Amino acid sequence: GENVEQHPSTLSVQEGDSAVIKCTYSDSASNYFPWYKQELGKRPQLIIDIRSNVGEKKDQRIAVTLNKTAKHFSLHITETQPEDSAVYFCAATPYSGAGSYQLTFGKGTKLSVIP
Amino acid sequence: NAGVMQNPRHLVRRRGQEARLRCSPMKGHSHVYWYRQLPEEGLKFMVYLQKENIIDESGMPKERFSAEFPKEGPSILRIQQVVRGDSAAYFCASSPKGTANTEAFFGQGTRLTVV
Repeated sequence: GENVEQHPSTLSVQEGDSAVIKCTYSDSASNYFPWYKQELGKRPQLIIDIRSNVGEKKDQRIAVTLNKTAKHFSLHITETQPEDSAVYFCAATPYSGAGSYQLTFGKGTKLSVIP
Repeated sequence: NAGVMQNPRHLVRRRGQEARLRCSPMKGHSHVYWYRQLPEEGLKFMVYLQKENIIDESGMPKERFSAEFPKEGPSILRIQQVVRGDSAAYFCASSPKGTANTEAFFGQGTRLTVV
């Protein structure tokens, strides 16, 4: 099945600096790559996603890049703010057979933005 | 639209008891996914259901765990004879169709504690 590796597991940056989180996946059939943000004790929420027909997508301070050849995708947060502090999860959608497209998540990156 | 509703938010069970976790998907969503999250870890896929059908249960333990999504009412994740290792946060997500290229919306989770 699909295997998603995420690095780093923890990341501390100064407010205003950029943060980059990287993920690799194993199943070349995966074609949808969402990123979720989870604040302590709360639900994961989608912040940005990318599909396999594009290489980059940007939404204000957040951007995601995808390299299908290398099977990796990255999250970039610019001008970080304290409220960006959370755990970020990448995910990939492999095809599991019988019409199943379930998300496989990385283990998460705990981002701390230091004021 | 109230979003994905899970209840209870917190559940305490003694070893050997049964735990029943409920998930009501967003209005118009017919696809439900259950994930388990251990402390400091990512989300592990358990089971994917559509109305009255289990599509993929490859992530669910073979014993003690079962899931259903009846024609009427919420999806239920049932854990029989709970053990301490079942303590975790259980998240439900729903989507209007399979998560290939569509966002999955998460509920607030049920935090199960086995004492």
